[in-house]
Amino acid sequence: QVQLVQSGAEVKKPGASVKVSCKASGYTFTSYYMHWVRQAPGQGLEWMGIINPSGGSTSYAQKFQGRVTVTRDTSTSTVYMDLSSLRSEDTAVYYCARARLRQFDYWGQGTLVTVSS
Amino acid sequence: DIQMTQSPSSLSASVGDRVTITCRASQGISNYLAWFQQKPGKAPKSLIYAASSLQSGVPSKFSGSVSGTDFTLTISSLQPEDFATYYCQQYNSYPLTFGGGTKVEIK
Repeated sequence: QVQLVQSGAEVKKPGASVKVSCKASGYTFTSYYMHWVRQAPGQGLEWMGIINPSGGSTSYAQKFQGRVTVTRDTSTSTVYMDLSSLRSEDTAVYYCARARLRQFDYWGQGTLVTVSS
Repeated sequence: DIQMTQSPSSLSASVGDRVTITCRASQGISNYLAWFQQKPGKAPKSLIYAASSLQSGVPSKFSGSVSGTDFTLTISSLQPEDFATYYCQQYNSYPLTFGGGTKVEIK
């Protein structure tokens, strides 16, 4: 069965970076795209970016351009989301979601990132 | 960016009720509209894609429809496990955008 297992919760100081992982299993890793979506406490869903695990190409929301980097490791079927220059407003649960290009189907369990001095 | 306006933001309903949630796109998105269900402390779950197609394993009490730029999610007979927050999402173009959510509560 398809599973997306994300790394554990993180606490970071303002200005630091965080790297969240999403390990995929149960399907051919390079056959589906992977998106990142975040949700601030009590708020809605916000799309951050996408990676094509086959070639590694990416596209990011303009809001996060220059601060977010999504990469993949095909040898371990893992996608990574790196967010830099963290500020308190980045406190959120970060989700990976598998997709046929832009059509989501499975989601990871989420990773809480807390930014606090 | 395409704005997705979801209504109502919350509703109270009883078990067995028929519930309808609406999502309006600020511009044409063809049928590139998805619906998700999210329970407290859990990841979203994909319910519907392409405006009206059910994801595998999703019960048929959920249905979606479209009229122009207005999209509707209907739950035919609300059950206790359906009390959650529902989000629409357009995936016609980047950036992908979500509606603000509709919280379905028990009356």
